[in-house]
Amino acid sequence: QQPVQSPQAVILREGEDAVINCSSSKALYSVHWYRQKHGEAPVFLMILLKGGEQKGHEKISASFNEKKQQSSLYLTASQLSYSGTYFCGTATGDRGSTLGRLYFGRGTQLTVWP
Amino acid sequence: DAGVIQSPRHEVTEMGQEVTLRCKPISGHDYLFWYRQTMMRGLELLIYFNNNVPIDDSGMPEDRFSAKMPNASFSTLKIQPSEPRDSAVYFCASSTRTGDNYGYTFGSGTRLTVV
Repeated sequence: QQPVQSPQAVILREGEDAVINCSSSKALYSVHWYRQKHGEAPVFLMILLKGGEQKGHEKISASFNEKKQQSSLYLTASQLSYSGTYFCGTATGDRGSTLGRLYFGRGTQLTVWP
Repeated sequence: DAGVIQSPRHEVTEMGQEVTLRCKPISGHDYLFWYRQTMMRGLELLIYFNNNVPIDDSGMPEDRFSAKMPNASFSTLKIQPSEPRDSAVYFCASSTRTGDNYGYTFGSGTRLTVV
C-alpha cells in the first residue's frame, strides 16, 4: 500500500519550479506532505482531504485528485531552503480512521543550487 | 511547546543486548506513532496508539519488538535481543484532530546501531 513518488530526484536552480507526484493503488481519504532535511526529522507541510482540493503554503502548494488517487506537490520559484527530501503519506478509510496507518512514499530528493 | 522528545539521540549496542527507546509526545496529542527509517525500506510504521491504547501493531517486525504507553506523556519501544538488521533511525510522532489539520509532529529520532 506504499504510494509511489516520482521523480526520485530533482535538481533545480534557485527560482525554478518543480512538481512532485504521488500515486496510490488504493482509494485515499487524505494525503500528507512532509519535508525532511538531512539528519533531521520529517516536518509536516500540509494535508489534503478527499474532495479534490488544492492547498497552498507560501510558494508550496498541492492538489489532490481523488478519482485518480494522486496528489501533486508544486514548488514555485524555489529557494535554497527548499532542498531536502519530500515524502507523501497516504491514508485510506473513512474520516473516523484517518489518523490510522499512514503509508509513506520512498521520497523525492530535491536539491536547489544558487 | 518543546515538541516530541525522544531519547537517546544515538545508541550503539552489541548484538543480543536489550535496547529501550523513549518518547514524550506533545501534550494534548492523543495519537502516538513509532516509525523506523532505513535506506532500503524508507519510513515504516511499526505501531500506533490512541489514548494510550495500541491500535495497530501489524508493522512490528517480530516478537523481539515491543512497545508500551503507560500514560499520555510517555512511550517506550523495546528491542530484545537486538540484531544488526535492527540498525535504523527510529522516529516517534504524535498528532491529534484539530479541525481538518492533523499532521504528524516527529521527534528528532534515535539513530540505533547494532554491532
